[in-house]
Amino acid sequence: EVQLVESGGGLVQPGGSLRLSCAASGFTFSSYAMSWVRQAPGKGLEWVSAISGSGGITYHADSVKGRFTISRDNSKNTLYLQMNSLRAEDTAVYYCAKDLNYYGSGGSDFWGQGTLVTVSS
Amino acid sequence: DIQMTQSPSSLSASVGDRVTITCRASQGISNYLAWFQQKPGKAPKSLIYAASSLQSGVPSKFSGSGSGTDFTLTISSLQPEDFATYYCQQYNSFPHTFGQGTKLEIK
Repeated sequence: EVQLVESGGGLVQPGGSLRLSCAASGFTFSSYAMSWVRQAPGKGLEWVSAISGSGGITYHADSVKGRFTISRDNSKNTLYLQMNSLRAEDTAVYYCAKDLNYYGSGGSDFWGQGTLVTVSS
Repeated sequence: DIQMTQSPSSLSASVGDRVTITCRASQGISNYLAWFQQKPGKAPKSLIYAASSLQSGVPSKFSGSGSGTDFTLTISSLQPEDFATYYCQQYNSFPHTFGQGTKLEIK
């Protein structure tokens, strides 16, 4: 059974940093691209970042480019999102999602339960 | 970036009804389109990929169609558990943009 469990969310001050983790199990982690998607309170879904199976190819939304970095450790079956220079508008539930293929061109088939990030002083 | 526009933004229907939600892309995306269902306080659930392929375990009451710029999600014989918010997402090119969502409510 595929499982994705996010952690690392919490309350952080504007300008601060946070690292999210997504622990994966139930599939061959290195064979699939992974993504982060967020949802601000009461709002829709926003794609944030994606990474190929090897970790060699990454993509970020313009809204987070230069501040957020997606990475993965295939030996630990874990996906990460390093978030720096956080702003109030980054407040959201952050979901990790598994892609249907290695490069991130297959669409997402499984999602984690999400972790809440709140940026506030 | 490719813009995804869903219509309607909200929809009221009754148990047993058949409903259709539309998603339009600002440029052609072939069939690189997915549909998701989200219930309040829960993570999204994948329903359809490649515009018309059902994810494993998703009931056949859900169906998708379309190619290029215009896509539809149809839900037949609505049941109480189907009332939720539905999102489309294109994955033809990065960023993988979502539609704004369609909230399906009980009439």
